[in-house]
Amino acid sequence: DIQMTQSPSTLSASVGDRVTITCRASQSISSWLAWYQQKPGKAPKLLIYKASSLESGVPSRFSGSGSGTEFTLTISSLQPDDFATYYCQQYNSFFTFGQGTRLEIK
Amino acid sequence: QVQLQESGPGLVKPSQTLSLTCTVSGGSISSGGYYWSWIRQHPGKGLEWIGYIYYSGSTYYNPSLKSRVTISVDTSKNQFSLKLSSVTAADTAVYYCARDQGGGDPDAFDIWGQGTMVTVSS
Repeated sequence: DIQMTQSPSTLSASVGDRVTITCRASQSISSWLAWYQQKPGKAPKLLIYKASSLESGVPSRFSGSGSGTEFTLTISSLQPDDFATYYCQQYNSFFTFGQGTRLEIK
Repeated sequence: QVQLQESGPGLVKPSQTLSLTCTVSGGSISSGGYYWSWIRQHPGKGLEWIGYIYYSGSTYYNPSLKSRVTISVDTSKNQFSLKLSSVTAADTAVYYCARDQGGGDPDAFDIWGQGTMVTVSS
């Protein structure tokens, strides 16, 4: 099965910062990658699908890139509402999630 | 718009079977084109996909749970269900139902239920 590894596990940043989270797949998944945001006590929310497509209603400060085995999620200018945990997920071969990246306020 | 709602017991005894139902509103499971999944999240941990069902009844399960999982669909009630047998404390988690984007092959999950906490304890 395909393993997904995110880095960093925790990221401290300030409002207005540009941040990048990386996700690596143990084998090529083409562009079959999604990014989710999860806040405490809530279900995950889809942000990005097919590696770089922005889900409807998601602010344009979120962007995704990559293909094959290396992917990134970038938030161009952090807003207070963005402090949450982010997960990548492959759906090339069924579904596997990364372990998550907690984005906290510096 | 489509909404999902999980329901079922919040407490299950070890060795028993965990049973949850996901009720779909705002759309019909039988309209086709979507994969309906169960996903769980252990306390303070990441997400684990359990399995999915297509409206036709075809299923696929996570190999790590396959021997204990059954997912079924009741199109007349617009519901799909999860049964996980022989549970242990390691099955304590928040259980989510989710729907994929419906692109043909299994896709990213764009609709999620709110989740339900299930504790396995005697």
